[in-house]
Amino acid sequence: GQNIDQPTEMTATEGAIVQINCTYQTSGFNGLFWYQQHAGEAPTFLSYNVLDGLEEKGRFSSFLSRSKGYSYLLLKELQMKDSASYLCAADLLTGGGNKLTFGTGTQLKVEL
Amino acid sequence: EAQVTQNPRYLITVTGKKLTVTCSQNMNHEYMSWYRQDPGLGLRQIYYSMNVEVTDKGDVPEGYKVSRKEKRNFPLILESPSPNQTSLYFCASSLGGTALGYEQYFGPGTRLTVT
Repeated sequence: GQNIDQPTEMTATEGAIVQINCTYQTSGFNGLFWYQQHAGEAPTFLSYNVLDGLEEKGRFSSFLSRSKGYSYLLLKELQMKDSASYLCAADLLTGGGNKLTFGTGTQLKVEL
Repeated sequence: EAQVTQNPRYLITVTGKKLTVTCSQNMNHEYMSWYRQDPGLGLRQIYYSMNVEVTDKGDVPEGYKVSRKEKRNFPLILESPSPNQTSLYFCASSLGGTALGYEQYFGPGTRLTVT
């Protein structure tokens, strides 16, 4: 089956750097998304990686290694508003089209 | 304002009573999708649609139906709801399919309780 793993919870300090890992064991892997979801709200898009390497976007960067089945989201200069759940999602090629399979999310708590 | 809307936002219903959750987007997006979110299980894709009259199953389609008669609308139909369909439902849309890495815009969610 398709398997996507993320840590359930992480805690970090305001101003610090945190790395949220995501590993996947899937068939038909095409690319990987990261979404942010604040409590009680809808997910919002952060990044998409299809090639190996690092994609930087302001304070947020995302990395992908297709050979290792591994991705991470790097958050720099953490702010209190970054406290949220971070969802990685694998885009998978299937016979009928592309499906999006999410991990269970990593709840990040930013403390003073 | 560009947005995805869902109605109703909250619904409590009884087992077996057919219901429809509407989803509409005003961004002329081709791709639309339905997800359910449950504690400990994360977001799971129910159905998706690449364009008008084109729909396909996601990971958890059992007990659900969808239709895409117009580009802007993608209703989710529960013909005979059961308590295990109690969940938080999200509709999402994007310019194109996930294969091209398009950002999905999510609606505000519909919290459904089936008793």
